[in-house]
Amino acid sequence: GESVGLHLPTLSVQEGDNSIINCAYSNSASDYFIWYKQESGKGPQFIIDIRSNMDKRQGQRVTVLLNKTVKHLSLQIAATQPGDSAVYFCAEHNEKLTFGTGTRLTIIP
Amino acid sequence: DAGITQSPRHKVTETGTPVTLRCHQTENHRYMYWYRQDPGHGLRLIHYSYGVKDTDKGEVSDGYSVSRSKTEDFLLTLESATSSQTSVYFCAISHDSYEQYFGPGTRLTVT
Repeated sequence: GESVGLHLPTLSVQEGDNSIINCAYSNSASDYFIWYKQESGKGPQFIIDIRSNMDKRQGQRVTVLLNKTVKHLSLQIAATQPGDSAVYFCAEHNEKLTFGTGTRLTIIP
Repeated sequence: DAGITQSPRHKVTETGTPVTLRCHQTENHRYMYWYRQDPGHGLRLIHYSYGVKDTDKGEVSDGYSVSRSKTEDFLLTLESATSSQTSVYFCAISHDSYEQYFGPGTRLTVT
């Protein structure tokens, strides 16, 4: 079946640098995508979303890019801070949400 | 956590016992969901509700049942808990089935 996956399971980034977290999806009919952040012991927290009729959306320090040609989604975090340490995962919507397994982002002081 | 609470937050129970987890929302959202989260897996949908008394199965519904008698409450019941149901359970809510907001989770251990 189709699934949502990630290129890298872990990512270490120097504090202050930009982080890029990637996600591959396989269902070309998916019409909506979300990025979540999950800190240890907590529930997933909505970060940003994007509809399939867009290729870029910006929030506060975060940008999501959607490349429908190669079915790729990325989350860019600007000026990474210690509080950004968490697991990040994407979800795609096609009648329901399907979630990826996540990338753990670690910030190096 | 977007006006969502889950209870209990932690529970240890024995194999074969019934367990009920509660999700309560204050957002008046139509949709409510129960997921389980296990290492190596993304969140997997157990059951969901699209209105009071309206529920449907997700991809991992075997061994679970749900009920929604009020807009604000969604109950997940394990009729006879098994060790394979040891997991972290998350409730989520949505007003339109797209954007979902999650509760803090319940860690369930079945011994």
